[in-house]
Amino acid sequence: SQTIHQWPATLVQPVGSPLSLECTVEGTSNPNLYWYRQAAGRGLQLLFYSVGIGQISSEVPQNLSASRPQDRQFILSSKKLLLSDSGFYLCAWVAGGSRRNTIYFGEGSWLTVV
Amino acid sequence: GNSVTQMEGPVTLSEEAFLTINCTYTATGYPSLFWYVQYPGEGLQLLLKATKADDKGSNKGFEATYRKETTSFHLEKGSVQVSDSAVYFCALSGPASGYSTLTFGKGTMLLVSP
Repeated sequence: SQTIHQWPATLVQPVGSPLSLECTVEGTSNPNLYWYRQAAGRGLQLLFYSVGIGQISSEVPQNLSASRPQDRQFILSSKKLLLSDSGFYLCAWVAGGSRRNTIYFGEGSWLTVV
Repeated sequence: GNSVTQMEGPVTLSEEAFLTINCTYTATGYPSLFWYVQYPGEGLQLLLKATKADDKGSNKGFEATYRKETTSFHLEKGSVQVSDSAVYFCALSGPASGYSTLTFGKGTMLLVSP
């Protein structure tokens, strides 16, 4: 069966420090991968998605970047964090694209920028 | 573009009460519709889905029917439990993105008291 893992689960980072969140998927190949953010009091916002190695689409211009160095690995990064980057970050995946497909989410990573 | 509107919370109910959380959508073509649930401190879990008009998704006593004529996908449960306390998100994926990205509502918090 397919599983998705992301880490770290929680982190507290000072303003201006770098960020790296990692997500891996097991049990599938060539998945579409996503990073969403859930800010306090707000809904879910799609940040990046990737349909293959090295292919990244950015939905919202911001202080963050994403990379996909391997088929089942998706990394969210920042060189210098801002206070507004605080939130709950969720990695997700789906196998292919048809109306019957479901997007599945990881456990989430809580980021607090202080 | 696609959008999802769901009722604002929190919805506060007593145990064994009937639950309805309204969700309406705007989309081009024929979207797939989803309800996700987020328990405190956790990621999102798929609760149920429907991929075509008049389909009924169901899981754990929750139901939702895809109503194309009213562009709605209301979530219902006949008798809620304290353990149902969570945030519920309505979402859709549409043909424009190859059913590979989700558009979410802002979420509705449900609080069930004993």
